[in-house]
Amino acid sequence: KAGVTQTPRYLIKTRGQQVTLSCSPISGHRSVSWYQQTPGQGLQFLFEYFSETQRNKGNFPGRFSGRQFSNSRSEMNVSTLELGDSALYLCASSLRQDQNTGELFFGEGSRLTVL
Amino acid sequence: AQSVTQLGSHVSVSEGALVLLRCNYSSSVPPYLFWYVQYPNQGLQLLLKYTSAATLVKGINGFEAEFKKSETSFHLTKPSAHMSDAAEYFCAVWTGGFKTIFGAGTRLFVKA
Repeated sequence: KAGVTQTPRYLIKTRGQQVTLSCSPISGHRSVSWYQQTPGQGLQFLFEYFSETQRNKGNFPGRFSGRQFSNSRSEMNVSTLELGDSALYLCASSLRQDQNTGELFFGEGSRLTVL
Repeated sequence: AQSVTQLGSHVSVSEGALVLLRCNYSSSVPPYLFWYVQYPNQGLQLLLKYTSAATLVKGINGFEAEFKKSETSFHLTKPSAHMSDAAEYFCAVWTGGFKTIFGAGTRLFVKA
C-alpha cells in the first residue's frame, strides 16, 4: 500500500508570493491533517479535513487555507508569503472513523524557504 | 482542552545506556497517546500507541512506554541505546475528533 505523498518536496519562494502544496493520503483514508514544523515552534496544527470538509483549524492567519477533494487528496495554500512562513509542512492521513485509534501516517513533508 | 509537555528538548545518552524520554499530558477525557520518531529530512513515523488495552505498550526498535493515569505520564524508554536511535521524538495525544496535539519534541543524541 502506498504511503502519504507530498509534493513538491522542496521549494523556494520570495516574500509576497503564494504557494500551493499537495498531499495524497493513503488509499482509504478520508482524513488529512496539516502541520507546520519550525525549529522554534515545533509541530503546529494547521487544519484537518475529513470528507471534503474542514473539521478543525489551528491558530494561523487567514493567509493559510486548504481544501480537500472528493478523492481525499488535499492541498494547502499560503498567500502573501512572509519570511516566517519558512518551514517544513507535514501532511498526515488517518482513518478517523469509529473504533479507530487515531494513528496518523505522515508524508515526508514539503520544505518551503521564503527569501 | 488537551495538552502535551515533553520534559527536555535535548537528551544525550551513551551507546548502551538507558533511554528515558519524558511526556506528561493533560486531558479531560481518556486519551489515546502516541510516540512518534522523526529522522532527519523525513516525516514522523509511529513508534507505539496507548489505546487503553494495556498500560505497558511495546513498540518498534525495542522502545516501550508505560501509561500512568495517576501521574498523567507516558514516558518512553529503551533499555540500551543504539547509535541509530538518534532522532527527534514526539509525544502526542488524541481524544477523538479532528485534532492531534503534539509535544514540542525531544532530540535524542547517542554518544559512542
